[in-house]
Amino acid sequence: DIQMTQSPSSLSASVGDRVTITCRASQSISSYLNWFQQRPGKAPKLLIYAVSGLQSGVPSRFSGSGSGTDFTLTISSLQPEDFATYYCQQSYSTPKITFGQGTRLEIK
Amino acid sequence: EVQLVESGGGLVQPGRSLRLSCAASGFTFDEYAMHWVRQAPGKGLEWVSGINWNSGTIGYADSVKGRFTVSRDNAKNSLYLQMNSLRAEDTALYYCAKDWHIYGYGGTFDNWGQGTLVTVSS
Repeated sequence: DIQMTQSPSSLSASVGDRVTITCRASQSISSYLNWFQQRPGKAPKLLIYAVSGLQSGVPSRFSGSGSGTDFTLTISSLQPEDFATYYCQQSYSTPKITFGQGTRLEIK
Repeated sequence: EVQLVESGGGLVQPGRSLRLSCAASGFTFDEYAMHWVRQAPGKGLEWVSGINWNSGTIGYADSVKGRFTVSRDNAKNSLYLQMNSLRAEDTALYYCAKDWHIYGYGGTFDNWGQGTLVTVSS
């Protein structure tokens, strides 16, 4: 099974900061990598699909990159509403799908 | 507007069964794969199961394989998860999620419900 490992597990940052979250797959997953945001008490929300595609309605300060086994989610200038938990997810090994363990982004 | 409404959660004793439902609206249900994703209290997301548009492709996480069964009724725009031999570690909020690949099983979840809570405890 493909394992997804995110780093860091938690992160403190300030409004206006540039933040990068990393996701590593245990084997190559090509471009089958999505990113989700989950705010407290809410359902997850698709942010980025296929490594770098920006889901409709998602602000352009969010971006994704990578290929193979190493991927990153970047938020160029943190806004108050961005403080949440972020998950990567691979869809290479369908029908089985796996998520990373999550990265909690907190206000410094 | 896509709406996914889960139901059927509750408190159940270990070893017993429970059936979750997800009522879908706002899109052509029989064109899309659907999935169940769960989240234990204070923990991360875990994909549980998925089913394609015509039930021809079905997948399960290893943690539930052999105990859970996913199904769908396209005439009723509904997704189901039959959960048998429940364990304490199955305690979680169970989300229904829509796949965005039409007539496929892509694994990209573009819409989610609000979840139904399952608590397994004696």
